[in-house]
This record gives sequence, structure tokens and C-alpha cells, in this order.
Amino acid sequence: ELKVEQNPLFLSMQEGKNYTIYCNYSTTSDRLYWYRQDPGKSLESLFVLLSNGAVKQEGRLMASLDTKARLSTLHITAAVHDLSATYFCAVDGLTSGSRLTFGEGTQLTVNP
Amino acid sequence: NAGVTQTPKFRVLKTGQSMTLLCAQDMNHEYMYWYRQDPGMGLRLIHYSVGEGTTAKGEVPDGYNVSRLKKQNFLLGLESAAPSQTSVYFCASMDRLNQPQHFGDGTRLSIL
Repeated sequence: ELKVEQNPLFLSMQEGKNYTIYCNYSTTSDRLYWYRQDPGKSLESLFVLLSNGAVKQEGRLMASLDTKARLSTLHITAAVHDLSATYFCAVDGLTSGSRLTFGEGTQLTVNP
Repeated sequence: NAGVTQTPKFRVLKTGQSMTLLCAQDMNHEYMYWYRQDPGMGLRLIHYSVGEGTTAKGEVPDGYNVSRLKKQNFLLGLESAAPSQTSVYFCASMDRLNQPQHFGDGTRLSIL
């Protein structure tokens, strides 16, 4: 059974600071997705990582994938308040239907 | 472009009542999914479909049924609602493998 663990689950940081969210998973996969969810809202796709060593960047966010370590990271550079949200990683277990297993989510609060 | 539309957005049921949640997508996507989101548990897959006329069980299928008679619609049914089914339900669709899933706005369901 595929398990996906994120840490930290809660993160409070100051504007301008850097931080990294970690996503570990338990079985072989080279397909990993990052989503953002604002309170009471839907999930928005941020990144699609499809191979070992994949790196994607969008604004102040950068995601990477190490399939050998079964680890993905979401790095936040010079955080701003607008980045406050819950971030989920989701792993495709490479089974029928491209089913995703989600992590618990990391609730990020960026303080002025 | 509506994307993924869920109906209703909110509903309160009494234990033992039945209801159907509707998910409609206008992107001609093959894959569709139903998730539930509970506090601290991320999203868990209930049922999914890899094409019109097909359905399959996900991680937490008990107490739910689904149908996909038309490609654009994916229905989630609760035959006899229980308080444990109080949750936020999200529908998602995906065009093809290695693409991100697109999520609806969610249905907030309370069962008393």
C-alpha cells in the first residue's frame, strides 16, 4: 500500500524567509504532483514531476523529485503573504486509472 | 469554460437518507475521480472511472456507489447516509496519463 507523508504539517514563517516542504512516499513511482488549496476552495495544480531529477519552478516555488530516495521537495523562496495556503503532494502509484495517493497537506502561514 | 462543476455545493442530510452528487466536466476528459477530504487526512479516493461506462473502487468505497453513463458526468450516490460520511467531496477529471487532475469546487455534506 502506497503511503505518502509530508512534513511539516504546519508551517508558520515570516515574509522574506526561505523554507522547504518535504514529501516522502513508500513505493516506486516517478509521477508526483503538487497542489495548492486555499481555505474553503478547490485544489489548484502547481507542478507535475515525471522523472528522477525533475525540477520545476514557478515564481517563488520550486519543486524537485528524487525517485531513488522517494522524496520530493517544495522549496519556497522569499515567502510572501499570498503564498499562505495548504500544499499537498500526491503520488501516482502506477496502478490502473492513474490513481493518486495524497499526503496530509502542509498548512503554510506567511506572516508579515 | 466551466471545467469541473459539482452539484450541489452544500447539503444537510439525516441519517439513513439517500442522495446523489453530480460531477460534470466539459473538457472531454477520459478519467474522473471522486474524493473525500476530512480534516488532517488529505484527500482519499472513493471511486474512479477510466472512461464512459466504467467504474472502479478506490481506497474508501464502502457506503458509496457511482455511475458514468455519459463521458461528461460522474455521479456519486449515498444509499443510506451515515454521520461518518460527513465530509467535503471533491470530483476531479484528467485528460490522459501524466496530466494533472482538475478539481471541482467541492460539495460540503453534513449528515446528522
